[in-house]
Amino acid sequence: DTEVTQTPKHLVMGMTNKKSLKCEQHMGHRAMYWYKQKAKKPPELMFVYSYEKLSINESVPSRFSPECPNSSLLNLHLHALQPEDSALYLCASSQDLAGGLGTQYFGPGTRLTVL
Amino acid sequence: AQSVTQLDSQVPVFEEAPVELRCNYSSSVSVYLFWYVQYPNQGLQLLLKYLSGSTLVKGINGFEAEFNKSQTSFHLRKPSVHISDTAEYFCAVTRDSNYQLIWGAGTKLIIKP
Repeated sequence: DTEVTQTPKHLVMGMTNKKSLKCEQHMGHRAMYWYKQKAKKPPELMFVYSYEKLSINESVPSRFSPECPNSSLLNLHLHALQPEDSALYLCASSQDLAGGLGTQYFGPGTRLTVL
Repeated sequence: AQSVTQLDSQVPVFEEAPVELRCNYSSSVSVYLFWYVQYPNQGLQLLLKYLSGSTLVKGINGFEAEFNKSQTSFHLRKPSVHISDTAEYFCAVTRDSNYQLIWGAGTKLIIKP
């Protein structure tokens, strides 16, 4: 089973709202990732968690705040977003960070629209 | 620095015809190679990967790819495409010691009836 689930599937929010995206995997993977994908472009890495600790923050604005409550869950808290933040947000997980165990499996994504 | 080139932004092909999607990478060290598929309005699905061993890799949905170290290529092939193969295909590369996927720009496969 290589399933990563994400909720919600779609989200519309205003610039003053606070919302959260949720990602879950039950494959025992110890690395989890958040990506942002604009239309017709490859995904851009935002954050990497390894063993529930934030390993990488790719200079993402503070209006995006990740959280890893346990080894199966990854959240992305959103606050005061801008219309240009509208995109598909993808979660991924891998057994470990690098090497042959670093194969990343993606969820279906959350389509975010910021009004 | 590593880079991945997908030479074709779009590849139109008739249904039941063969297809090849090209991917070239630049790296002086050992790499791992991946092809992902993204169907319309969906997430990314791993099609196949090359980590080591046989250079011909078979994936899901009848796709296969061949790793060619001398030509630094990892082209994706399918002998007979179906309308359901309409999607965006991304090639990606990572180094052994690195978590970060380096992505190609993507190739849109368009199946003509």
